[in-house]
Amino acid sequence: GNSVTQMEGPVTLSEEAFLTINCTYTATGYPSLFWYVQYPGEGLQLLLKATKADDKGSNKGFEATYRKETTSFHLEKGSVQVSDSAVYFCALRKDSSYKLIFGSGTRLLVRP
Amino acid sequence: GAGVSQSPSNKVTEKGKDVELRCDPISGHTALYWYRQSLGQGLEFLIYFQGNSAPDKSGLPSDRFSAERTGGSVSTLTIQRTQQEDSAVYLCASSFGQGQPQHFGDGTRLSIL
Repeated sequence: GNSVTQMEGPVTLSEEAFLTINCTYTATGYPSLFWYVQYPGEGLQLLLKATKADDKGSNKGFEATYRKETTSFHLEKGSVQVSDSAVYFCALRKDSSYKLIFGSGTRLLVRP
Repeated sequence: GAGVSQSPSNKVTEKGKDVELRCDPISGHTALYWYRQSLGQGLEFLIYFQGNSAPDKSGLPSDRFSAERTGGSVSTLTIQRTQQEDSAVYLCASSFGQGQPQHFGDGTRLSIL
């Protein structure tokens, strides 16, 4: 079946550190891939997306590259801020589908 | 506002009671989705509407759960005879159509005593 696996958290970093949150997926065909972020007390916000192999999604300093050969979509940021503290969800959507399949989420805590 | 609006933001009720959760999607969005976020289960898809029709109800966990959408806009998720395992955050999302990015509301936190 289709699934998304994320690294377990929490991930604790100091401000300005480099961030990587790993995400791998299992799916047939060519799914679209997404990163969503959930700030405390809020709903999910779309952070970035990629719809085909080798696409790079980017937003707010975050990047992720769709790697079909490794079935991965790792999230990276060069210098995190305290305000980036949140839960990050990797998700996929199959071709011509509507249902998002989410990973379990990774909590990021950035300390000053 | 411009985003997906859900109400109430928090709901506490006794086991066995019925609850209704409301979702007001972004204007013009024809597709609407309900998800549930609970400890141990993560984020699960519940149901999808295209217009007022629900072609996929496969995620509804039991026949105590039902949802409707009227006028191609507001949707209501109803849980009858609530159980403690229904405690979760219920998230609604909408999109311009199937395959378009989904925009989420802030959710309704449901607590069953």
